Amino acid sequence: DQQVKQNSPSLSVQEGRISILNCDYTNSMFDYFLWYKKYPAEGPTFLISISSIKDKNEDGRFTVFLNKSAKHLSLHIVPSQPGDSAVYFCAASATGAGSYQLTFGKGTKLSVIP
Amino acid sequence: DAGVTQSPTHLIKTRGQQVTLRCSPKSGHDTVSWYQQALGQGPQFIFQYYEEEERQRGNFPDRFSGHQFPNYSSELNVNALLLGDSALYLCASSLKGRGQETQYFGPGTRLLVL
Repeated sequence: DQQVKQNSPSLSVQEGRISILNCDYTNSMFDYFLWYKKYPAEGPTFLISISSIKDKNEDGRFTVFLNKSAKHLSLHIVPSQPGDSAVYFCAASATGAGSYQLTFGKGTKLSVIP
Repeated sequence: DAGVTQSPTHLIKTRGQQVTLRCSPKSGHDTVSWYQQALGQGPQFIFQYYEEEERQRGNFPDRFSGHQFPNYSSELNVNALLLGDSALYLCASSLKGRGQETQYFGPGTRLLVL
């Protein structure tokens, strides 16, 4: 039973355009959400996070949106750059329930075409 | 500012052997979590250590054990290795506080069991 789902295994975007990566979750106890970027042969790099008390968080070119009623979050990258090409993982934790483990989706491979 | 480091980077073992992986947390962090990432999957939580004690454990058998030292570094031990234990093992560190903790990952140790 996958509690965090990233339904698009891959996404291709033209350089300079917006990249939108989506993530759905089923566990209503999740209250903290994170996005990580992973290059081959490296560990995941933290990008941005959002608490369930917010619906938007922005950091430079990266914005995460949270829709709690739909149990859906998305990561927007504007403008997309070739260096953004990587696998992006959505992760969630239920810290209010005393759980600190991160539950990950399977990832979406983003390719930014020059 | 030193990030999370892991050793070794690669390891080859045979079925039935035992392995020890090592992790040093990011400077200033006191909590270490371990994850297993199989090919094409997101990382799966193994356990988390804080104050030299296992704070939380995921759905992994007792063959997986760990330890945290007074300097906050940690070891992951896997006994009686199976072919299915072949994976990328990731260590993540964080700073315990109230509420949400962002975990920062190391580069991982790639384990191959033959």
